Amino acid sequence: NAGVTQTPKFRVLKTGQSMTLLCAQDMNHEYMYWYRQDPGMGLRLIHYSVGEGTTAKGEVPDGYNVSRLKKQNFLLGLESAAPSQTSVYFCASSLEGSSYEQYFGPGTRLTVT
Amino acid sequence: ILNVEQSPQSLHVQEGDSTNFTCSFPSSNFYALHWYRWETAKSPEALFVMTLNGDEKKKGRISATLNTKEGYSYLYIKGSQPEDSATYLCAFSSNQFYFGTGTSLTVIP
Repeated sequence: NAGVTQTPKFRVLKTGQSMTLLCAQDMNHEYMYWYRQDPGMGLRLIHYSVGEGTTAKGEVPDGYNVSRLKKQNFLLGLESAAPSQTSVYFCASSLEGSSYEQYFGPGTRLTVT
Repeated sequence: ILNVEQSPQSLHVQEGDSTNFTCSFPSSNFYALHWYRWETAKSPEALFVMTLNGDEKKKGRISATLNTKEGYSYLYIKGSQPEDSATYLCAFSSNQFYFGTGTSLTVIP
């Protein structure tokens, strides 16, 4: 099992460009999450999904969109990147809800210039 | 926005010392409290998930306790080893997850 994988690992964008980050899990987990990690701050939840076809906003959703068309994939989109979105992005999945441990991907380092 | 606080921010201990960290969280709308271990250049890995007041969990030399009424959890490491060096994160779950900023532990051989 690969666990949770993220594509790409690194990316540099210019302000205003768009991109999609892909998260894939092979553990048949229902719940998936997108977080961002910034210096001096804890992991902050951007969006999450409680099952195929569902998405919900987290703590910091502005500027991002997500989709969960297939159970194993959770996509994070930036429609018009801004320098404030420079961060490390982590995807995670869990079998079900908050009583279950989360499994994290390796992270994507995004720089917006 | 909910506040999850961890203390201390960083800690240096000698090999063989025992140590503990604190995670403080809101005592209302509690679903679960998670502890994760995060080594440099890796991803966070789950240590414990606790849901009930008074829960105690143990994994080898690491243990954790939970007090949901007063809103805190302790993580204990007995006989620290250099391989315990990592950042330890806690996460509070109500309807979504809120992570603390972590306690960075360095164990000096």
